[in-house]
Amino acid sequence: DAKTTQPPSMDCAEGRAANLPCNHSTISGNEYVYWYRQIHSQGPQYIIHGLKNNETNEMASLIITEDRKSSTLILPHATLRDTAVYYCIVNRGTSYGKLTFGQGTILTVHP
Amino acid sequence: NAGVMQNPRHLVRRRGQEARLRCSPMKGHSHVYWYRQLPEEGLKFMVYLQKENIIDESGMPKERFSAEFPKEGPSILRIQQVVRGDSAAYFCASSPGERALYEQYFGPGTRLTVT
Repeated sequence: DAKTTQPPSMDCAEGRAANLPCNHSTISGNEYVYWYRQIHSQGPQYIIHGLKNNETNEMASLIITEDRKSSTLILPHATLRDTAVYYCIVNRGTSYGKLTFGQGTILTVHP
Repeated sequence: NAGVMQNPRHLVRRRGQEARLRCSPMKGHSHVYWYRQLPEEGLKFMVYLQKENIIDESGMPKERFSAEFPKEGPSILRIQQVVRGDSAAYFCASSPGERALYEQYFGPGTRLTVT
């Protein structure tokens, strides 16, 4: 599974879009990009995933570059409740669903 | 729809006792995963089970830890003869099936404290 690199922390003003980057330059053609978040002391929460097309759901949008070497998770209107650690995970689908969490990005949303 | 349920939410055990953590997956999910989060550390995969089968236990400590997911009832993570280093948050997750193994839904966790 490809290695991912995320900034350790980011800030965002409430109501503004939060754009969280993830670098996965060694991603291979059949690997998906998954995003999870963990709000303090809670269980992680699945957000979204994609292969090569941009994806959108009720929580967020996922933009994957054409070369697939990086992606951006977009929370369109961040709220204080979006303060959490965000994890970008790349998986080939051959590890039986074993998620490997890195350090993630601590997103702090300010009033 | 009830989410993934874990109990107890908090568990205190003395060194040498046994800890039993229970996890009920979401309705219709037959794939269960256990993860551990040590204080100030990241989440680490422990074990992946389907009904009555252990599929991947590569993250389980070799001794004292075991997991099961019987045909009926919740999945159980069992820790025998607990030590202080077992103090952690233990999270269970379930997924809907073969085509979505990485889309996992997590429970609230069990916080184990060993005194």
